[in-house]
Amino acid sequence: DAGVTQSPTHLIKTRGQQVTLRCSPKSGHDTVSWYQQALGQGPQFIFQYYEEEERQRGNFPDRFSGHQFPNYSSELNVNALLLGDSALYLCASSTTRTGYTRETQYFGPGTRLLVL
Amino acid sequence: AQSVTQLGSHVSVSEGALVLLRCNYSSSVPPYLFWYVQYPNQGLQLLLKYTSAATLVKGINGFEAEFKKSETSFHLTKPSAHMSDAAEYFCAVTPGGGADGLTFGKGTHLIIQP
Repeated sequence: DAGVTQSPTHLIKTRGQQVTLRCSPKSGHDTVSWYQQALGQGPQFIFQYYEEEERQRGNFPDRFSGHQFPNYSSELNVNALLLGDSALYLCASSTTRTGYTRETQYFGPGTRLLVL
Repeated sequence: AQSVTQLGSHVSVSEGALVLLRCNYSSSVPPYLFWYVQYPNQGLQLLLKYTSAATLVKGINGFEAEFKKSETSFHLTKPSAHMSDAAEYFCAVTPGGGADGLTFGKGTHLIIQP
């Protein structure tokens, strides 16, 4: 049973550029959440996707946007990159299936983004 | 709104000693609570969760946590520390009944002394 996968593992960009990160949820999961983890900090919630729509958003600017595809995979896009966007970006998946706790999220290994 | 406070950014224990990592939460609705572990350069692994059933929750690798509503706490314990337990530990909260994003604490770095 494959867990949550993310690509790429590492990425280096320069200020002002745009970046797209990808996530495939755990098998059987239909909800994807994205988190930003700055160095030495806990993860911060960016947004959550379910049924191809953004259903909840954290305190992040509109430069952060996302998409969910019919196969439940997801992308995180960040425009006009700032130095402060350098972080580990984590994707987590969960399921709304009956008998499962939809609040339980399983995390991928993350994409480490460095903005120069 | 909810929040999590983890007391002690670093905790050091000897191998074989009791591990106690503290977590206090604030939530306007009955919460669901989680402990995750993060090893260097890796993602987060779920250790255990409280979802309004038994207040004493057992997780993987010998860890357990007790939900105490009166103290708004969800402390993580392990009777005997092992060198492989050295990692970063995060407590997280979310409102029960929904599928909202998790709110994490700042983490506690657990150091195991030989």
